[in-house]
Amino acid sequence: EVQLLESGGGLVQPGGSLRLSCAASGFTLSNYAMSWFRQAPGKGLEWVSAVNSNGARTYNADSVNGRFTISRDNSKKTLYLQMNSLRAEDTAVYFCARVYSGPDVGADCFVYWGQGTLVIVSS
Amino acid sequence: EIVLTQSPGTLSLSPGERATLSCRASQSVTRNYLAWYQQKPGQAPRLLIYGASSRATGIPDRFSGSGSGTDFTLSISRLEPEDSAVYYCQQYDSSPPYTFGQGTKLEIK
Repeated sequence: EVQLLESGGGLVQPGGSLRLSCAASGFTLSNYAMSWFRQAPGKGLEWVSAVNSNGARTYNADSVNGRFTISRDNSKKTLYLQMNSLRAEDTAVYFCARVYSGPDVGADCFVYWGQGTLVIVSS
Repeated sequence: EIVLTQSPGTLSLSPGERATLSCRASQSVTRNYLAWYQQKPGQAPRLLIYGASSRATGIPDRFSGSGSGTDFTLSISRLEPEDSAVYYCQQYDSSPPYTFGQGTKLEIK
C-alpha cells in the first residue's frame, strides 16, 4: 500500500524557518517525481514545489521562489521542503504528493497524497 | 500560466440526482491534461479523473469527465450523501506551474 506521511509542521514566527519531511512507503520513490502543495485555511489548493525523480531538477511557484527549497533523499525514501523567511501568508496545510506515472516533472497528475502537516506562521 | 475557473461555486442537490460541474481554462489545455479531485473536510485530495475523461483506479463509474480545449465537465450521476465534498480541476498540460480551479462545493441534502 502506498503511503506518504508528512511531518515537521508547527508554529513558527515570521522570518523563521522550518523543514518538512515526507516519508514514502509502498513504492520505489526513486522512480517518481514528487511535489509539495499547500492549502491555506478555508482556501483552495496551491502547488508549491516539484522535483524530478533523481533530484536534479526542481521547480518552485513564484510565491515561494527564493525562500523554499525542495529536495529528496531516495535512499532514505524521504522528500523534504526547506522553508525559510516564512510569512503569515505561508500558513497552510502542506501536502506531499506523487505523480501518477513517471520520473519527470510536468505532464502528470497526482495520484497519491499524504494527509498533510499544518504550518502556522505567527508571532 | 493557465487560469482555471470553476462553476458553480456551490451546488446543492438531492440524493439520486445528477451533478454537472464546469471547469473553464484561460487557454487551451492542448493535450487534455486535465484532472479532477475530490476533497472532503480534513482529508487530502483524491484523484477522480485524469486526461479529462479517464477514471482513476477504484473510482465508481458514477463519476465521468468530458471536454476538451478550454471547457471541461465533471458529471456525477445517482448522487449519494458521501459525494458531498469540494471538487477541484487541475491542469498539468502547461506545467509547472500546476494550476487548480477555485473549487466547487457540492452539497447533498
